[in-house]
Amino acid sequence: EVQLVESGGGLVQPGRSLRLSCTASGFTFGDYAMSWVRQAPGKGLEWVGFIRSKAYGGTTEYAASVKGRFTISRDDSKSIAYLQMNSLKTEDTAVYYCTKNKRIHFDYWGQGTLVTVSS
Amino acid sequence: SYVLTQPPSVSVAPGQTARITCGGNNIGSKSVHWYQQKPGQAPVLVVYDDSDRPSGIPERFSGSNSGNTATLTISRVEAGDEADYYCQVWDSSSDHFYVFGTGTKVTVL
Repeated sequence: EVQLVESGGGLVQPGRSLRLSCTASGFTFGDYAMSWVRQAPGKGLEWVGFIRSKAYGGTTEYAASVKGRFTISRDDSKSIAYLQMNSLKTEDTAVYYCTKNKRIHFDYWGQGTLVTVSS
Repeated sequence: SYVLTQPPSVSVAPGQTARITCGGNNIGSKSVHWYQQKPGQAPVLVVYDDSDRPSGIPERFSGSNSGNTATLTISRVEAGDEADYYCQVWDSSSDHFYVFGTGTKVTVL
C-alpha cells in the first residue's frame, strides 16, 4: 500500500524558514518524480514544484510564486522528499501536500501538513 | 499562463447525474485528470487521461474531453459523492507546470 506522510509544518514568522519532509512507503521511491501541492485555507489547489527521479536527472521545477525561495530535494536511500521554504510570506500559509507523480498527474497524496506564516 | 475554469457549484439529487465542466483553451489537445476532495481530507484521483479510472474508483465516475471543455460525469449520484472536484492538466509553457482548475463543489440535495 502506497503511503505518503508529511511532517514539519507549524507556525513560523514571516521571513523565516521551514523544512517539510515527506516519508514514502509502498513503492520504489527512486523510480518516481515527487511533487508538492498546497492549498490555502478555503482555497483551491496550487502546484508548488516537483523533483524528477534520478533517471531523469533529479532536476526540479517550481511555480513562479515560489521560485527562488523554495527548494525541493530527495533522499532515495531513505525514501524521503523535502521542501525547504525560505523567506516565507503570509501568503504561503496553506496545507502542503506531498504527491507521487505518475507521468503528468498525481496518483497518490499524503494527508497534508499545515504551515501558518504569521507574526 | 494556462487557465482552467470550473463552475463554483453543482447541485444534484441522489440517483441523478452530475456533470462538472472544465474549460480551457483547446483543452481537447491535453490530457485531463480529475480529483475528488472531501472536507478535511486530501484529494483523491478519480479520473486520469481524460477517461481512465484508477483501481477502486466506481464506474459511476467517467470523463470526456473535446474542444475547449472537459467533463467529469458522476452517474447515479450518492450522498458520499458530495465533495469538491478539481480538474488538472500539464502545461510546460505555463508558469505552473501542473495547472489545476478553480474547483467545483458538488452538493447532493
